[in-house]
Parts: sequence; structure tokens; C-alpha cells
Amino acid sequence: GAVVSQHPSWVICKSGTSVKIECRSLDFQATTMFWYRQFPKQSLMLMATSNEGSKATYEQGVEKDKFLINHASLTLSTLTVTSAHPEDSSFYICSARIAGSRHEQYFGPGTRLTVT
Amino acid sequence: QKEVEQNSGPLSVPEGAIASLNCTYSDRGSQSFFWYRQYSGKSPELIMSIYSNGDKEDGRFTAQLNKASQYVSLLIRDSQPSDSATYLCAVSSAGNNRKLIWGLGTSLAVNP
Repeated sequence: GAVVSQHPSWVICKSGTSVKIECRSLDFQATTMFWYRQFPKQSLMLMATSNEGSKATYEQGVEKDKFLINHASLTLSTLTVTSAHPEDSSFYICSARIAGSRHEQYFGPGTRLTVT
Repeated sequence: QKEVEQNSGPLSVPEGAIASLNCTYSDRGSQSFFWYRQYSGKSPELIMSIYSNGDKEDGRFTAQLNKASQYVSLLIRDSQPSDSATYLCAVSSAGNNRKLIWGLGTSLAVNP
């Protein structure tokens, strides 16, 4: 149980284009989903907390107009990287919390984004 | 500033030995404690959760929590080369908007 999927698993895009990443909880309802970014050999960095049906809460320093998050249902959250630049190249990982659980998060497999 | 601290390592142990990973946290209001394992290039995987003082065992893994000392540890018995990974400690408190506060991780290498 507690399986989270992400799509795509990797993507290459040109500078200035937008990329959408999907995060789905496959066998549970997730009232809260989280988006992280991880650069090589560095720790996880929380970008935003996404609650179903409401606006995402962004961490300090994360541009909400650049990283658009939508959590339209209890099983789906999306992250859109708008006007991507090479410095946005990173490993983007989503996680989901089971409704009513004690804060444990289950992670998707991640999306590796390369902006050329 | 709520913090979670771990030794970065690398911690190197021989195959079959016990690996001991430690984590301290600053927020006394913390209520939930987690250990995640992350292989290189992969996403984190939840391996243990603990909520009350004492020990919790699951297979070769034992998590230990001491809230008075603000300390949580993970023991891996009979370490295997496949246990070589980075182990992340994460802590949550009730009033934290459901976020986890993460340590930077301890790199473990199990040598055959």
C-alpha cells in the first residue's frame, strides 16, 4: 500500500518552455502532497505544501509564479515549471500524506528535469 | 528555527555488523519521528516510524526514541551491502502545517 507515482520520470526541455509533472497517490487519498527539489549530493529541499482544493503554501525563496502547483483532487497534484531555465535542472520529488495519518510521507519515484 | 541534525558520515561498517545512526532535534514539541532510506539517484523510502519513547523493532531495523534527550536513533542489525545508502531522519510536530523537518542524512557504506 501507499504507492505514489510520478510522471514523467525524466524530461528534457528547452530553455523558456514549461514542463508539467504529475504526482498521483494510487491506493490512498492524499489530502496533503508535498513537492521537493534535490540537487546532486544535496539534501531534500521542500518547495511547497499542497492541500486538496486550496492554494499551495510555498517555502521561503520559492517563486510561486514560476512553480505552479495544482491539487485538484485527493489523488492528483501537479507541478508546472514555467519558463524553465538551466538552473531549474534538478530532481523533483513529490510525496503524499495519507488522510488522517500521523505525518508520514510516501514519496514518488521522482522526475529528473534537464533544461537545455 | 527548528532543526534536525545528523552526522553526515560516511559511516562504514563491515557486512554482518550493527550500524548505528543517530539524530537529534531541537523542537521539544515534536511528536512523530521517521527514518527514510535514499539510494543514490532515487527518492526516499520510509523504513521506520516511531511516536513514543522506547524501542520499535521491524525486522533488522530498530528505532529508538528518547524525547527527554531529544534523540532518535536507528540500528541496523546484520548489515548487508544492500543497506548502503543515505539515511534521512525526519521529525514532525503538531503545529507545523504537516511538514517534516529533515536532517541532511548520514551516508552508510556496508563493506562485503
